[in-house]
Amino acid sequence: EIVMTQSPATLSVSLGERATLSCRASQSVTSSLAWYQQKPGQAPRLLIYGASTRATGIPARFSGSGSRTEFTLTISSLQSEDFAVYFCQQYDNRPPTFGQGSRVEIK
Amino acid sequence: EVQLLESGGGLAHPGGSLRVSCAASGLTFASYGMSWVRQAPGKGLEWVSSVSGTGSGERTFYADSVKGRFIISRDTPKNTVSLQLNSLRAEDTAVYFCAKETESSGWYIFDYWGQGALVTVSP
Repeated sequence: EIVMTQSPATLSVSLGERATLSCRASQSVTSSLAWYQQKPGQAPRLLIYGASTRATGIPARFSGSGSRTEFTLTISSLQSEDFAVYFCQQYDNRPPTFGQGSRVEIK
Repeated sequence: EVQLLESGGGLAHPGGSLRVSCAASGLTFASYGMSWVRQAPGKGLEWVSSVSGTGSGERTFYADSVKGRFIISRDTPKNTVSLQLNSLRAEDTAVYFCAKETESSGWYIFDYWGQGALVTVSP
């Protein structure tokens, strides 16, 4: 199965600052990469699919980029509601696999 | 509005069985694949199983970690998908999320999720 590795494990950011999260795949997943946000006690929420397409209702401050094995999620100006854990997931091959998550916390 | 509502789960002993179910509304249920994704306490997400849409033959798929122990099924007229958990192990302890896929089969983008059902396996 394809192993997804996220970095950093934790990112401390101030309100209004930019956050950049990375995700690496153990082999090419083309552009079959999604990003999810999860807050404590809640289900994950789809943010990005196809590496760069925002899901319905997702604010423009969230953007995704990359292809093959290297991907990035950028939050351009952090709002209070953005402090959460973010997971990447590949769906190029079955089984779909997730990264271990990156926590974005308030600095 | 799409809604997914899980039920079931609870406490089981090692070797025991449980069932979790998911009732879907607000969508043409037959048109979409449905998956179960679990999350152990304080851990990440793990895809467990999926069943494709009616047009894709309602094919079933499993993670290696649960193959031969778990059974996924869908009741399309009732808009429900269920996961029968057998031969439970301590490492199956997790919140089990029902998740809707964006396509009928094999395109594992999960655009809607249920609130989760807790399964605890303990002596």
